[in-house]
Amino acid sequence: DGGITQSPKYLFRKEGQNVTLSCEQNLNHDAMYWYRQDPGQGLRLIYYSQIVNDFQKGDIAEGYSVSREKKESFPLTVTSAQKNPTAFYLCASNQFRGDTQYFGPGTRLTVL
Amino acid sequence: AQRVTQPEKLLSVFKGAPVELKCNYSYSGSPELFWYVQYSRQRLQLLLRHISRESIKGFTADLNKGETSFHLKKPFAQEEDSAMYYCALSLTQGGSEKLVFGKGMKLTVNP
Repeated sequence: DGGITQSPKYLFRKEGQNVTLSCEQNLNHDAMYWYRQDPGQGLRLIYYSQIVNDFQKGDIAEGYSVSREKKESFPLTVTSAQKNPTAFYLCASNQFRGDTQYFGPGTRLTVL
Repeated sequence: AQRVTQPEKLLSVFKGAPVELKCNYSYSGSPELFWYVQYSRQRLQLLLRHISRESIKGFTADLNKGETSFHLKKPFAQEEDSAMYYCALSLTQGGSEKLVFGKGMKLTVNP
């Protein structure tokens, strides 16, 4: 299960605070992705990055921001503008188009 | 619009029974389809992809372009097959590639 890690496993945030979720991979993958998983909603794409210093909005990018300064790292910031941030967040990576995406263990964010 | 539909949210069968998890897609291009599985307390992981045309853990899935379907089948379900199953469609847009997931289906195999 190694190769892509997310931290922390559980995160609590007060309303109005920004919080950053970490995603690191040592698989030398070019592409990285952030998804949000809600019961009954499946996985929805927040942001993705095909290469360092470049990223694109997914289907539900509002209230989130990302950076891709290093190939192995793709942190996600959940801002106070995100109306319903409590969810399970999954990070994934893959090498090239059509390749299997490998998923991290996830971070469960709870807004108090 | 590109879409993946898994019409059933829950499926409960007894051990040894056949299972079919339905997946339909909407995509104007040439589809690349995947089934991902999430066992309890484990990471989401690839089960199989249509391009490899192989059987994994007894599961098979055939792409039917006429019916725009990619149903997952297993002739004899086992208790360890209990999990969440997600069908996914790979899209290439503007040089970028991403996956569109269905909403998932929970399979429970009872002893």
